[in-house]
Amino acid sequence: KAGVTQTPRYLIKTRGQQVTLSCSPISGHRSVSWYQQTPGQGLQFLFEYFSETQRNKGNFPGRFSGRQFSNSRSEMNVSTLELGDSALYLCASRGAISYNEQFFGPGTRLTVL
Amino acid sequence: DAKTTQPPSMDCAEGRAANLPCNHSTISGNEYVYWYRQIHSQGPQYIIHGLKNNETNEMASLIITEDRKSSTLILPHATLRDTAVYYCTPLASNTGKLIFGQGTTLQVKP
Repeated sequence: KAGVTQTPRYLIKTRGQQVTLSCSPISGHRSVSWYQQTPGQGLQFLFEYFSETQRNKGNFPGRFSGRQFSNSRSEMNVSTLELGDSALYLCASRGAISYNEQFFGPGTRLTVL
Repeated sequence: DAKTTQPPSMDCAEGRAANLPCNHSTISGNEYVYWYRQIHSQGPQYIIHGLKNNETNEMASLIITEDRKSSTLILPHATLRDTAVYYCTPLASNTGKLIFGQGTTLQVKP
């Protein structure tokens, strides 16, 4: 079974731009969560989607948004990028059987200049 | 959210057992203890979880104290590929929101 895939793997943007990251969960998984990881703050939860509905949200500003499609693929968008948004963005999926076991993708490394 | 305390770093000789402790004294009754690890530049990887009984899978064993205030992850025969940061995290059923502390950096040495 293919794992969680994320695209792109690396991205360089400048302040003020916006970015869209994509995540394809493991086949059959309907839940997708997004996390931001930085050396200073560690792993921080952004939001979780299940069956196209956001069911949980972390403490991030409204510039961070996401959505999920009917095939469970998910995107997250960050508008008006700031230098502090430079981070590894991870997505994780989980299925119904191993409900709390989350499978992570390799992440997208975003650098904001 | 329950807080966890883990030693910042540990060393282990290759082939020996690695025992990684975690204190989660404020864990709630409905929270499981989950262990993940993150190898450099990769996404976190699920290892094992438990509620109150000891658990074992192909990767590791998990020992949870009777009062559930602490647990120990055991890698029975550590290899160089087990070098990673190990995180324990309490997680309530159906929450889906992982909270990682600073974790323990395990260095397996030849």
